[in-house]
Amino acid sequence: QSALTQPASVSGSPGQSITISCTGTSSDVGGYNFVSWYQQYPGKAPKVIIYEVSNRPSGVSIRFSGSKSGNTASLTISGLQAEDEANYYCSSYTRSTTYVFGTGTEVTVL
Amino acid sequence: EVQLVESGGGLVQPGQSLRLSCTGSGFTFGDYAMNWVRQAPGKGLEWVGIIRKKIHGGTIEYAASVKGRFTISRDDSKSIAYLQMNSLKSDDTAVYYCSGIMSAGRFDPWGQGSLVTVSS
Repeated sequence: QSALTQPASVSGSPGQSITISCTGTSSDVGGYNFVSWYQQYPGKAPKVIIYEVSNRPSGVSIRFSGSKSGNTASLTISGLQAEDEANYYCSSYTRSTTYVFGTGTEVTVL
Repeated sequence: EVQLVESGGGLVQPGQSLRLSCTGSGFTFGDYAMNWVRQAPGKGLEWVGIIRKKIHGGTIEYAASVKGRFTISRDDSKSIAYLQMNSLKSDDTAVYYCSGIMSAGRFDPWGQGSLVTVSS
């Protein structure tokens, strides 16, 4: 199972919106709505920010939103803030009844 | 407080074995599938394997990179999941996280991670 493809880095200025893509296949992202997104600060454990493509856990900022079209899922961060500077990973359930993570995206706030 | 705590990491030589433990508290451990996820230094997250909850058969799956070398088990009476790692290679050097899934592929909660270093 190959890792889902994400851009290595995305940057934006405070207040702007950015979108991170997560591209898989019909055997994972395109075949199931079990796509999640995780935020990870250096040296810390990941934290779920989106699950089931577009659902936000309690306590997660409404500035984070998720969507999916075909084999590509997307995470949008609106009103970018300095605290959003972190690494972001997508994950998906797969046809093999396993899971796969994305390659990861480093978000930089300019 | 919902919490997962990993233990058992350390430095081992190539070819040796190591067992990690993941202890849960603050939630009903048996209601969660338990996963192991690793992160090599400076790299991304890699899913290692899962042991499903008993009502889902307790089935176990592994990533191709560890299949045949790693074994996942669980003891719900003690709220512990285990990762037995045999025939360790330098490529297995990573921080190993355990994480629970209650439903919908949502990895939550996560442990703090346990560093495993494989080096001679």
